[in-house]
Amino acid sequence: DGGITQSPKYLFRKEGQNVTLSCEQNLNHDAMYWYRQDPGQGLRLIYYSQIVNDFQKGDIAEGYSVSREKKESFPLTVTSAQKNPTAFYLCATGNSSYEQYFGPGTRLTVT
Amino acid sequence: AQSVTQLGSHVSVSEGALVLLRCNYSSSVPPYLFWYVQYPNQGLQLLLKYTSAATLVKGINGFEAEFKKSETSFHLTKPSAHMSDAAEYFCAVSSPEGGYNKLIFGAGTRLAVHP
Repeated sequence: DGGITQSPKYLFRKEGQNVTLSCEQNLNHDAMYWYRQDPGQGLRLIYYSQIVNDFQKGDIAEGYSVSREKKESFPLTVTSAQKNPTAFYLCATGNSSYEQYFGPGTRLTVT
Repeated sequence: AQSVTQLGSHVSVSEGALVLLRCNYSSSVPPYLFWYVQYPNQGLQLLLKYTSAATLVKGINGFEAEFKKSETSFHLTKPSAHMSDAAEYFCAVSSPEGGYNKLIFGAGTRLAVHP
């Protein structure tokens, strides 16, 4: 069953703690993306990777970090430096036709 | 720089009525354009895309969109709304400026369908 898996669906953390969000894909797509979604603001790009062992900052990378050690995996770490981390986080993959396919998302709540 | 404007953060229609969701884009070169749909607490699903072929693009679930270069618009329509169409809809643009790999999203339009 092909697709994108994000786990967990809901995540709760205390302020000051780092947290890592998982994103796995078996679509064999080279490109992967992380977006943040806040009510009324659409989606904003955090980081993206077009190939293994390479990634670029998006529009709101401050307070986040990523790695791309395998084609299938693109984990996102929300660090304690992120001022307002509570949000819905979406992972996506991109194919050669410039289409992006999205995972089900992780809702992170930091208190 | 690329940008996307979706007119109307909320649109309400009756079941069976025409759905029209507006999207205007800004790009210095011919863009690729996309419409996505999002149901509550889920990811986004691709509805349709324009990539410089036919200007009228048909997508899934009976939706279609027309690319109008002179108006820099890519409005989404459906002739007859169904209750299951209630969701949030996002217009997005990509262009050579970003290597076509980066999508810029509009703020979204929430569609309500009432009986």
